[in-house]
Amino acid sequence: GENVEQHPSTLSVQEGDSAVIKCTYSDSASNYFPWYKQELGKGPQLIIDIRSNVGEKKDQRIAVTLNKTAKHFSLHITETQPEDSAVYFCAGAWGNTGNQFYFGTGTSLTVIP
Amino acid sequence: DGGITQSPKYLFRKEGQNVTLSCEQNLNHDAMYWYRQDPGQGLRLIYYSQIVNDFQKGDIAEGYSVSREKKESFPLTVTSAQKNPTAFYLCASSKNRAGTEAFFGQGTRLTVV
Repeated sequence: GENVEQHPSTLSVQEGDSAVIKCTYSDSASNYFPWYKQELGKGPQLIIDIRSNVGEKKDQRIAVTLNKTAKHFSLHITETQPEDSAVYFCAGAWGNTGNQFYFGTGTSLTVIP
Repeated sequence: DGGITQSPKYLFRKEGQNVTLSCEQNLNHDAMYWYRQDPGQGLRLIYYSQIVNDFQKGDIAEGYSVSREKKESFPLTVTSAQKNPTAFYLCASSKNRAGTEAFFGQGTRLTVV
């Protein structure tokens, strides 16, 4: 099955700096890569996603890049704000029918005011 | 409002008792999932269902059971056979098509007392 690895497990940045979280995956059949943000005591919420036919996607301060050859994808948050502090999960998903998700172990991001 | 609802938010169980966690969605999604989340770990798949009256074991199904009698509902029973049931449980749903996001509930925190 798929194996998704995520680094770092914790990340602290100063407000206004950028944050980068990296994930690798093992199964070349994975074709969909969502990123989720989870605040304390709540369920994860999708913040951005990318499909395997796209190399980069951007939404305001958040961007995701995908390198299919190297099997890795990254989340970039620019101009970080204290409200960006949360746990972020990457995932790989595949399936010609249905949707199988494999999650990374999460990155706890702290933005220091 | 369309969404996915888990109840209760907090649940306490005595050792040796079975307990059922509720998950309901009105998103008209075919696929539903149960994940377990432990501190410092990612989301581990317990069970998933792609269609009514059908479900498959995930990576950590031992000690758990599910049913899918209705499209909207996917309850999870934590049985007395689950040796370490204290955890945060997340239910999710998605369209039954590759490359579509999963929507999560707000979670149920189960504590064995």
